[in-house]
Amino acid sequence: DAGVTQSPTHLIKTRGQQVTLRCSPKSGHDTVSWYQQALGQGPQFIFQYYEEEERQRGNFPDRFSGHQFPNYSSELNVNALLLGDSALYLCASSFDTRRNSPLHFGNGTRLTVT
Amino acid sequence: GQNIDQPTEMTATEGAIVQINCTYQTSGFNGLFWYQQHAGEAPTFLSYNVLDGLEEKGRFSSFLSRSKGYSYLLLKELQMKDSASYLCAVIPSNYQLIWGAGTKLIIKP
Repeated sequence: DAGVTQSPTHLIKTRGQQVTLRCSPKSGHDTVSWYQQALGQGPQFIFQYYEEEERQRGNFPDRFSGHQFPNYSSELNVNALLLGDSALYLCASSFDTRRNSPLHFGNGTRLTVT
Repeated sequence: GQNIDQPTEMTATEGAIVQINCTYQTSGFNGLFWYQQHAGEAPTFLSYNVLDGLEEKGRFSSFLSRSKGYSYLLLKELQMKDSASYLCAVIPSNYQLIWGAGTKLIIKP
């Protein structure tokens, strides 16, 4: 039973570029959440997708956008990259019918913006 | 505002017991999670509390007091592999998880 998988594992981009990160949820999960984690900090909520719709959004600018596909996989897009976007981006999946169900995280994508 | 406070770093000795505290102020409360995160790895689920009291799971236990906005994670018989960051996360009324910054636990032989 595959857990949450994310790709790529590492990425280096320059300021102003655009990036797409990908996530496949754990089998049986239908909800995908994206988080940004800076070094030494807890995860910061970006947004959550359920039934191919963005259901909730954290305090992130419109440069951050996403998508969920019919197979529940998801993408996170970041436009006009800034140096401050350098972080670990975590994808987490859960089973939505129990909204308190624990999140299962992927190993993340380490994004470095130079 | 909403916030979660945890100590930044703690040190303990192999074989000992350590308690990691978490205090929170949120708009509503629907439960609290504890996660473990080893350096460079994904957070992994440890425990969930929604009612007051102690939940025991092997060497790890988690306690909740909703009236005090307080939880702790108790780790017994510490092993070197327990060296990690421990994250407290609260589910507020809008179900948008709020995360603490994490407590880095250092285990010494």
